[in-house]
Formats: sequence, C-alpha cells, structure tokens
Amino acid sequence: QKEVEQDPGPLSVPEGAIVSLNCTYSNSAFQYFMWYRQYSRKGPELLMYTYSSGNKEDGRFTAQVDKSSKYISLFIRDSQPSDSATYLCAMGGSARQLTFGSGTQLTVLP
Amino acid sequence: DSGVTQTPKHLITATGQRVTLRCSPRSGDLSVYWYQQSLDQGLQFLIQYYNGEERAKGNILERFSAQQFPDLHSELNLSSLELGDSALYFCASRETGSGANVLTFGAGSRLTVL
Repeated sequence: QKEVEQDPGPLSVPEGAIVSLNCTYSNSAFQYFMWYRQYSRKGPELLMYTYSSGNKEDGRFTAQVDKSSKYISLFIRDSQPSDSATYLCAMGGSARQLTFGSGTQLTVLP
Repeated sequence: DSGVTQTPKHLITATGQRVTLRCSPRSGDLSVYWYQQSLDQGLQFLIQYYNGEERAKGNILERFSAQQFPDLHSELNLSSLELGDSALYFCASRETGSGANVLTFGAGSRLTVL
C-alpha cells in the first residue's frame, strides 16, 4: 500500500463547476500538507500549504485537512479553463522530503 | 521562473549510456532534492543534499548517484541506462531556515532512453 493515495482521475468538468480533489494517507507522522499544480511539461508549483487540521482558503481554492481520518481535499470554486492541469497532493513530516500522490489530471471545458 | 535551474531540458540517449543532469538551487537555498516522475510511478523522491552533504535517500537505484558541490549546484548521474529510466527528473530546493517543507521545483530534465 502506498503512503499517499490520490484519486487518479482524469477529471473533466465544465467551466464554473466546483472541483473536489482528494488524497488519503497512512503515515501518522505527516504534519505538513500541500497541493501542487503541474502544467503539462512544467515543474510542479506550490498552490496551497497547510499545517493543521481544518480549512485554509486562498481565493477560489480551499484546502481541507482531516488528520483524524487521514484525508485531505482541495476544492476549486468557479473553475476556469486555466485551471486545467495535474494536481498533486504532497505531505511531509520531520523528514524534509515530501511524499507525493500520483496526481489527478483536471480539464476544465470552456 | 521558479529560480531553480535545470539543464539540459531534453536528453535523448541509448541504453547502456551515462548522462549527467545539472541543477542550480534558488539563491540562498542550501538544500537540493532530486525527484523522478514517470507515468506509472508518479513523483518519486530520489535523494537530498544539504550544503554538500547527503541527508536522505529515497528510491534511488545503485546505478544512479548524485553530489552537491561547494557552489551548491548539484548533479545527478545516471549510468547503464535502461528503457525504464526514461522519465522527467526534477530538482527542487527548500528555503534555508524555513521550518516548512515547501519545495520549489525546477522545470525538469526530460530523459528519453532508446
């Protein structure tokens, strides 16, 4: 079993839809939770960073962490074609490297 | 531009050959991380260096090696290449003194082994 499992997708939604992306994890030592966005043939870029359970909002993006269930989510409101990318959840603990999910490819149709 | 520089962007080589990928971290960052991204395995951690010293190893094959030089740039050496080594190789750096695990990635080096 992988330490981090991510819904593989691909996901295709119409413009304006609410998108929900999810990951589960098994390692209780994970303390930091992130979402990276990766456009085709580019490097991953940080989208959201959270440390504790709860919600964190940044514009149209909301990251949610539930440590008791070992479950994290990313919500995208009013999705735009420019949001079309692969979204990677990532987690870390006392060890400085991050463990990534396999990524969910999202396409937002105009 | 993330500030992390990787060269070359693309590399095509044959099985059995050896290649070197180069990374320069963001100015001031002492940590360098190498990740491999393939279609079936996702983003896999290979190795981490901090100020010239190896700090952590992940799923790095014995045919692969890395080092970080005094000027903080890093090189990932891949030898006896196999078809399965075809992948995107990313370098990332972490802000020195930051308690967070936030990594900033370069644009990657795409390796194709024929």
